[in-house]
Amino acid sequence: GENVEQHPSTLSVQEGDSAVIKCTYSDSASNYFPWYKQELGKGPQLIIDIRSNVGEKKDQRIAVTLNKTAKHFSLHITETQPEDSAVYFCAATPISNNNDMRFGAGTRLTVKP
Amino acid sequence: DGGITQSPKYLFRKEGQNVTLSCEQNLNHDAMYWYRQDPGQGLRLIYYSQIVNDFQKGDIAEGYSVSREKKESFPLTVTSAQKNPTAFYLCASRRQGLGETQYFGPGTRLLVL
Repeated sequence: GENVEQHPSTLSVQEGDSAVIKCTYSDSASNYFPWYKQELGKGPQLIIDIRSNVGEKKDQRIAVTLNKTAKHFSLHITETQPEDSAVYFCAATPISNNNDMRFGAGTRLTVKP
Repeated sequence: DGGITQSPKYLFRKEGQNVTLSCEQNLNHDAMYWYRQDPGQGLRLIYYSQIVNDFQKGDIAEGYSVSREKKESFPLTVTSAQKNPTAFYLCASRRQGLGETQYFGPGTRLLVL
């Protein structure tokens, strides 16, 4: 089955700096990769996703890149703000079976003002 | 408002007691999921259901039970057989179809007295 590893587990940046979180996956059949943001005591919220037919996707200050050959994908947040502080989860799933979504262990991002 | 609601926000369980967590969605989504979240870990799938009156075990189904009598409702019962129930429980749903994203509810925190 799929195994998703996420690094780093914690990340602290200064406001205005960029933050990068990386994930690797093991199953070459995985071809849908969402990223979720979870604030304390709340459920995860989808912030961006990418499918394997695309190498990069951007939405304002957030971007995701995918390297299918190396089986890794990354979340990039530019011009970080204190409200970006949260736990971020990556996930991987084969589009043919969305019931089998595997999550990384999460990255706690702290943006210092 | 459309969305996924979970209740209660906090739930306390006594030794040997069964407790039921509620999950309701008004998004007209076909598939619904229950995940367990422990500190420092990714989400682990307990049960999922793709249609009414049908559900499948996930990776950690032991000690849990579910029902799906209505499309919009997917309650989870934590039975006395679950020896370590303290966790944050998340319900999710998605539309049927390839590549559709899972959306999460706000979660229920279960604590053992």
